[in-house]
Order: sequence, then structure tokens, then C-alpha cells
Amino acid sequence: DAGVTQSPTHLIKTRGQHVTLRCSPISGHKSVSWYQQVLGQGPQFIFQYYEKEERGRGNFPDRFSARQFPNYSSELNVNALLLGDSALYLCASSLAVGTGELFFGEGSRLTVL
Amino acid sequence: GDSVTQMEGPVTLSEEAFLTINCTYTATGYPSLFWYVQYPGEGLQLLLKATKADDKGSNKGFEATYRKETTSFHLEKGSVQVSDSAVYFCALSDRGILTGGGNKLTFGTGTQLKVEL
Repeated sequence: DAGVTQSPTHLIKTRGQHVTLRCSPISGHKSVSWYQQVLGQGPQFIFQYYEKEERGRGNFPDRFSARQFPNYSSELNVNALLLGDSALYLCASSLAVGTGELFFGEGSRLTVL
Repeated sequence: GDSVTQMEGPVTLSEEAFLTINCTYTATGYPSLFWYVQYPGEGLQLLLKATKADDKGSNKGFEATYRKETTSFHLEKGSVQVSDSAVYFCALSDRGILTGGGNKLTFGTGTQLKVEL
């Protein structure tokens, strides 16, 4: 069975640009969460979606947005990129909200120059 | 707010040595606690979990006990192998699993474990 898949795996952008990261959850999983992992740190919660509705938002600026589609895949959008947005962006899926067990993808590594 | 503190790495051990990675937390209410592991080149994987005080999570020879009185969830393994080399993250969920709350996880900074022959 396919795990959580993310694309692209690596990308380089310049300051001020926009980026869209994509995530496909494990088949049957209805919840998708996004995390930012800066080098040497633990992942930081950005968003959680369940059944296409936002169920949680972390302490990130409005430049970060996300959505979930009817097939439960998800996109994370970041506008007006800053150097500090350089990080590994992790997507995680779960069967439902509140299970506590997340299945993570390998991440999209974003470098902002 | 919620926070997780874990010992800094890297931790370097010889094969078959005993492992302890310390983790303490600060949270309101009754969080669920987790250990996730990140092997080189792979995504984060759930290693074990505990949902209430005095619960012991275990998997692949690793164990951790939810200690409410000391707000700790230390990871232990009696005999490590080279294949255990990875980064280990302690995490808490801001709502208990049983209450059907969200999946927001608060992670520690991670502890790198290196096991040598």
C-alpha cells in the first residue's frame, strides 16, 4: 500500500515568490496535517484538515494557507516567501481526527534564496 | 503553552548497550504522549504511545512509561542495535485520544542516536 506521498521533494525559490506543496494521504485516511521542520528542530504544527474543513491552525502568519480536496489530498500554499521559510515541510495523514497516530510523508524540502 | 523537552544529542552507544532518552513535558489537561522515530532518508514513524498516566507504550524492544507525577516519558531499550541509529522525537497531543480531539502534536527538538559496533 502506498504511504503518504508529497511533491515536489525538493524545490528552490527566491524571496517574495509563492510556493504550492502537495500531499496525497494514505488511502482511507480523511485527515491531513502539515508541519514545518527547520533543520535541527522538531516539527512545528501548521494546519490540520478533516473532511475538507480546517480543524486546527498553528502559530504561523497568514502567508500560509492550505486546503483539502474531495479526494482528501491537500495543498499547502506559502506566499511572499522569506528566507526563514526554508525548511522541510511534512504532511501527515490519519484515519480521523483525534486518533493521535500520524503517518508522515518524507517531506518537501524548500530552500528560499 | 504546551512544550516538550528532550535530552540533546547525539547519543553514541555501543551495540547491546542500554539506552535512555529523557523526555519531560508541560501541558494543560491530560495529553497523550508519543515517541516518533526518523530513520535516515525516511519519514517520521510512530514508535510507541501512551494515552494516560502509568500507561506503558512498547514496540520493537523500546518502552516508555507515562509518569504524570514527574511529567516524563523517558524512552528506554535494553540492548540497542546498529539499526536503531536514528533521530528520536518525543511528542504530546494537546487533547487526549479518548476525547476525540485534534491531532496537533507538539514535538521536542529530537535526539540523534548513533549505535556503533
